[in-house]
Amino acid sequence: GESVGLHLPTLSVQEGDNSIINCAYSNSASDYFIWYKQESGKGPQFIIDIRSNMDKRQGQRVTVLLNKTVKHLSLQIAATQPGDSAVYFCAEKNTDKLIFGTGTRLQVFP
Amino acid sequence: DAGVIQSPRHEVTEMGQEVTLRCKPISGHNSLFWYRQTMMRGLELLIYFNNNVPIDDSGMPEDRFSAKMPNASFSTLKIQPSEPRDSAVYFCASSLSGTANTEAFFGQGTRLTVV
Repeated sequence: GESVGLHLPTLSVQEGDNSIINCAYSNSASDYFIWYKQESGKGPQFIIDIRSNMDKRQGQRVTVLLNKTVKHLSLQIAATQPGDSAVYFCAEKNTDKLIFGTGTRLQVFP
Repeated sequence: DAGVIQSPRHEVTEMGQEVTLRCKPISGHNSLFWYRQTMMRGLELLIYFNNNVPIDDSGMPEDRFSAKMPNASFSTLKIQPSEPRDSAVYFCASSLSGTANTEAFFGQGTRLTVV
């Protein structure tokens, strides 16, 4: 039979606009969350993290929001640039075990 | 620090052969993870070690896969015998776990092709 790959959600944004990437995590006991960026041919790279005792954390051009009630994470990228084009993964950590979501592809067009 | 180092970067082997993937974690990190990435399944956690001890190997697909961490600076993932469906990119990552929880740092991966 024909094999079917994962259908990665894709977010297409215009350069300069803000991007919001969402993620639902699975384990209510997870206490640490990380956003990673993966470019083609490379390993995932750390962007920003947040601990479960916080609901918002800001970095340079990026903000992570955590809603523990509905087990939801979001990554906001301000003034999106062509170099932001990549696949973005959220990851949750529980007792040292780091589990990744399926990822979202961000495409930035001029 | 050079980061997490994996070798080889690319491996092409024939079905039935033994394959060994290698990883050197970041010095001082006490957790090490092996992941497999495919189009079908995304990033799957195969096994992780804490202080050189395997903690959870529930993601290891079958007995053909084994992983070791003989010391804090080296780990191997072995597939014997290899099959075409093992073709994937295998990533190693390390982190500092426990009260000083940190993110996991990834190596560049090993692209394995089994023909």
